[in-house]
Amino acid sequence: KQEVTQIPAALSVPEGENLVLNCSFTDSAIYNLQWFRQDPGKGLTSLLLIQSSQREQTSGRLNASLDKSSGRSTLYIAASQPGDSATYLCAVRPEVNNAGNMLTFGGGTRLMVKP
Amino acid sequence: DGGITQSPKYLFRKEGQNVTLSCEQNLNHDAMYWYRQDPGQGLRLIYYSQIVNDFQKGDIAEGYSVSREKKESFPLTVTSAQKNPTAFYLCASSTLAGQAYEQYFGPGTRLTVT
Repeated sequence: KQEVTQIPAALSVPEGENLVLNCSFTDSAIYNLQWFRQDPGKGLTSLLLIQSSQREQTSGRLNASLDKSSGRSTLYIAASQPGDSATYLCAVRPEVNNAGNMLTFGGGTRLMVKP
Repeated sequence: DGGITQSPKYLFRKEGQNVTLSCEQNLNHDAMYWYRQDPGQGLRLIYYSQIVNDFQKGDIAEGYSVSREKKESFPLTVTSAQKNPTAFYLCASSTLAGQAYEQYFGPGTRLTVT
């Protein structure tokens, strides 16, 4: 059974710092990996989706990388801002997609960026 | 505006009562999902539906029930058999066509049972 782990569980950094969030998964047979942002008490907003054939995806100050064989992904946030404070979740989708587009989520990293 | 709506945002119930959470989407998506999120944890899949009048159990379906009578709607009933119903519930939808299968999420319903 796929397990997804995110480290650290919480992170506090000063504004302007570059930071890396980690996501690891036990079964490398994935179709793609998705990073989400969740603000307190809100739903999830998709940030980046990386197909299994890709190594990285970029959107603005965000860069997500994927090393499928080692079961790892990182989310790099450049020049962090207080508005980046949120919980970041990663989720993987299985390669054998006969179970209806199932996502397995990590526990999330709660990020606080201090002004 | 296209999107997913969940109502209500906050819901309070007494133990032993069934309660139904609403989820509606106007994205013309075929698939819909219900997740549960507990504090400091990721999402766990309760039920999903790929087409109307069909649905499948997820990892934690016990104590929950769903229906899918219309493409746009996927209500979740939390029954009195659910041992720990207090949680944040998220609904999502996706189109099964296309390469990405990206899921889009609603704003969530926070259920408190006392």
